[in-house]
Amino acid sequence: DSGVTQTPKHLITATGQRVTLRCSPRSGDLSVYWYQQSLDQGLQFLIQYYNGEERAKGNILERFSAQQFPDLHSELNLSSLELGDSALYFCASSVEVGTQYFGPGTRLLVL
Amino acid sequence: QKEVEQDPGPLSVPEGAIVSLNCTYSNSAFQYFMWYRQYSRKGPELLMYTYSSGNKEDGRFTAQVDKSSKYISLFIRDSQPSDSATYLCAMSALSGNEKLTFGTGTRLTIIP
Repeated sequence: DSGVTQTPKHLITATGQRVTLRCSPRSGDLSVYWYQQSLDQGLQFLIQYYNGEERAKGNILERFSAQQFPDLHSELNLSSLELGDSALYFCASSVEVGTQYFGPGTRLLVL
Repeated sequence: QKEVEQDPGPLSVPEGAIVSLNCTYSNSAFQYFMWYRQYSRKGPELLMYTYSSGNKEDGRFTAQVDKSSKYISLFIRDSQPSDSATYLCAMSALSGNEKLTFGTGTRLTIIP
């Protein structure tokens, strides 16, 4: 157990819908990262927050957004969902460079 | 061309064998190198973390980084069936931008 928690574990929804994925980092970790893992693209970095502020952005679609709250938990919002958004979404947290610890992931299926 | 290349396998070896997993990369800014293990439908688990060139050993695992060749390796000694998983290499640059760039992962099976 990495200490990073993610909810829900599984999510099934329809195209055009909006969902929110939640992540709680390890105690004391100020950075939260979101990654998407699909069969054809592998693990791709989406976005990073550090102590409530956006720090880095990767290949995140405009339909996706994220935020980190004062208690350091983070939410990833996915809207206008498409079939191709079906993937595993991971949250990771760290206190310093290099040591990112991943949560168990949320498996999203868009039908 | 991808920044990080990793042979996807699959790789099957008998129990007790030494396993060698490798990645190459093109971005010379990468300074931090990691190996993650991912069991099916689970989150990646950090195995090894090294900074810059050199070797690091932890139990049955040894990580090597050769920055001059842009080549990293993970060796697993006395491999066990429980080592069967997908192994992902990951890298980040010393820039304050701490995103990880991952290889595609190598699927490893240890045959009892």
